[in-house]
Amino acid sequence: KAGVTQTPRYLIKTRGQQVTLSCSPISGHRSVSWYQQTPGQGLQFLFEYFSETQRNKGNFPGRFSGRQFSNSRSEMNVSTLELGDSALYLCASSLVGLTQETQYFGPGTRLLVL
Amino acid sequence: AQSVTQLDSQVPVFEEAPVELRCNYSSSVSVYLFWYVQYPNQGLQLLLKYLSGSTLVKGINGFEAEFNKSQTSFHLRKPSVHISDTAEYFCAVSENFGNEKLTFGTGTRLTIIP
Repeated sequence: KAGVTQTPRYLIKTRGQQVTLSCSPISGHRSVSWYQQTPGQGLQFLFEYFSETQRNKGNFPGRFSGRQFSNSRSEMNVSTLELGDSALYLCASSLVGLTQETQYFGPGTRLLVL
Repeated sequence: AQSVTQLDSQVPVFEEAPVELRCNYSSSVSVYLFWYVQYPNQGLQLLLKYLSGSTLVKGINGFEAEFNKSQTSFHLRKPSVHISDTAEYFCAVSENFGNEKLTFGTGTRLTIIP
């Protein structure tokens, strides 16, 4: 069974631009979560989607948004990029998103904002 | 609100020696506890998790962890480390009433010395 895939793996953008990252969960998984990893703040939860609905949200500004499609694939979008948005963005999937389930992480998308 | 403290940011250990990585958590409700490992340029991989029952949890790659409710700790141990254990280790907590997000500690970088 294929794991969680994220595209692209690397991105370079400039301040003010917007970016869209994609995540394909493990087949059959309906819950997709997104995390931001930076050296300063560590791993922080962005949001979780289940059945095309945002079910949980972390403490990030509205510039960070996401969506989920009917095939459970998810995208996250960051508008008006800032230097501080440079990070590794990790996507994780699980069957239905119960807290006791294992979340399977993708390799991440590394975003550099210049 | 839940939080996780990993007391050691870096732990150097000689090959074949035992290691303990410390993790303390704070939460006002019952929690689930997890340890993840991140190898260079990769996503996170689950090592083990505590949901309920036996407080000693065994995971992959010879790791184990013990849940101590009175000390609010979930320390990770391995009796004999190998060079391939060099990685960053993250302790995480989630609250077990439907809050579908992981709160991570800041990570411990384990370096194995040959």
